[in-house]
Amino acid sequence: GAGVSQSPSNKVTEKGKDVELRCDPISGHTALYWYRQRLGQGLEFLIYFQGNSAPDKSGLPSDRFSAERTGESVSTLTIQRTQQEDSAVYLCASSRRAAANEKLFFGSGTQLSVL
Amino acid sequence: DAKTTQPPSMDCAEGRAANLPCNHSTISGNEYVYWYRQIHSQGPQYIIHGLKNNETNEMASLIITEDRKSSTLILPHATLRDTAVYYCIVKTGANNLFFGTGTRLTVIP
Repeated sequence: GAGVSQSPSNKVTEKGKDVELRCDPISGHTALYWYRQRLGQGLEFLIYFQGNSAPDKSGLPSDRFSAERTGESVSTLTIQRTQQEDSAVYLCASSRRAAANEKLFFGSGTQLSVL
Repeated sequence: DAKTTQPPSMDCAEGRAANLPCNHSTISGNEYVYWYRQIHSQGPQYIIHGLKNNETNEMASLIITEDRKSSTLILPHATLRDTAVYYCIVKTGANNLFFGTGTRLTVIP
């Protein structure tokens, strides 16, 4: 597709359930990023991939959060045993490569609501 | 990544130039200055970026001071659709973009 695609656009789940969020980057983009944005706040970095490896996982808030990427394409962010504080918009971005002068292109995000 | 400081909010009259300032006094020589904006409920949209020289594209102009400690994003003729939160970010190498709280720009009819 022309842009970064994320699915689902909205997800409502019960506390304690696991969720998987999907990101399809722009074709050919080797770098992929996940962010979280709580209501009324700025973006919080979670993790980024260069190819299929994740050099920086420092932003993952707890061991309930994990992410993987296969085939230098699709990435999934998994949240296990969801908590109400996990409610947020989860944004994915991609860039041609992970470099200082490469701009990131963002998807529209997945709105996660944990009841 | 260097920290950036922006005013929390600004107003601009429709049709006038919007000048959004950003301080990044601890920026290092290899860090780029990026500007993104976020319109309610959408993902951030890239606007422009630069290293040392001033830059211009179809959306905006970026003016970076000679010492690189501050920059200004200029929207030459603001429209109502430019109402958004504008983020100034500095970026090094492979690192991601660290977003601060940005400036909420309101374009007034």
